[in-house]
Amino acid sequence: KQEVTQIPAALSVPEGENLVLNCSFTDSAIYNLQWFRQDPGKGLTSLLLIQSSQREQTSGRLNASLDKSSGRSTLYIAASQPGDSATYLCAVSQRAGANSKLTFGKGITLSVRP
Amino acid sequence: GAGVSQSPSNKVTEKGKDVELRCDPISGHTALYWYRQSLGQGLEFLIYFQGNSAPDKSGLPSDRFSAERTGGSVSTLTIQRTQQEDSAVYLCASSLVGTGFWNTEAFFGQGTRLTVV
Repeated sequence: KQEVTQIPAALSVPEGENLVLNCSFTDSAIYNLQWFRQDPGKGLTSLLLIQSSQREQTSGRLNASLDKSSGRSTLYIAASQPGDSATYLCAVSQRAGANSKLTFGKGITLSVRP
Repeated sequence: GAGVSQSPSNKVTEKGKDVELRCDPISGHTALYWYRQSLGQGLEFLIYFQGNSAPDKSGLPSDRFSAERTGGSVSTLTIQRTQQEDSAVYLCASSLVGTGFWNTEAFFGQGTRLTVV
């Protein structure tokens, strides 16, 4: 059974700091990995998707890397801003019988202090 | 609409009542998922629809939960005889095809916050 772990559960940093959010998964037989952002009381917003054959993806100040063999992904946020404060979730996609589904970590709640 | 739409956004119901939650996926998306997010917990998979295939119901927690997807578009999640432990945020997502394909992103709605009192 796939398990996705995100540690720590919460993180507080001063504005301007570069930071790394970690995600680990137990079964490396994945199709892709997605990073999402969730604001309080809101749904999930897709940030980046990395295919299993890729090593990294970039979007603006965000860079996500994937090491499938070791079961790890990182989300790098450059020059953090208070507006980056949110919960960040990673999810892996893999086959489930004839279908597929996403398995999520519990998320990292990030607070960026002005 | 441009995104996944869920209604209602909030629902308060009495224990023992039935509730229906609605999801309108992005037009043209063949895959639709329901997840549940309880306070302090991760997202729990409930059910998955892909085109005309039989749905994957493996995540439904009990027979009080059921879901339908009509015409390959709108989906309704029904919870019968609600219990307090059903209180959670119910999230719907859609994608062009199942997320098992290489580069298919899942897009989520804003969720329905269900409170059973």
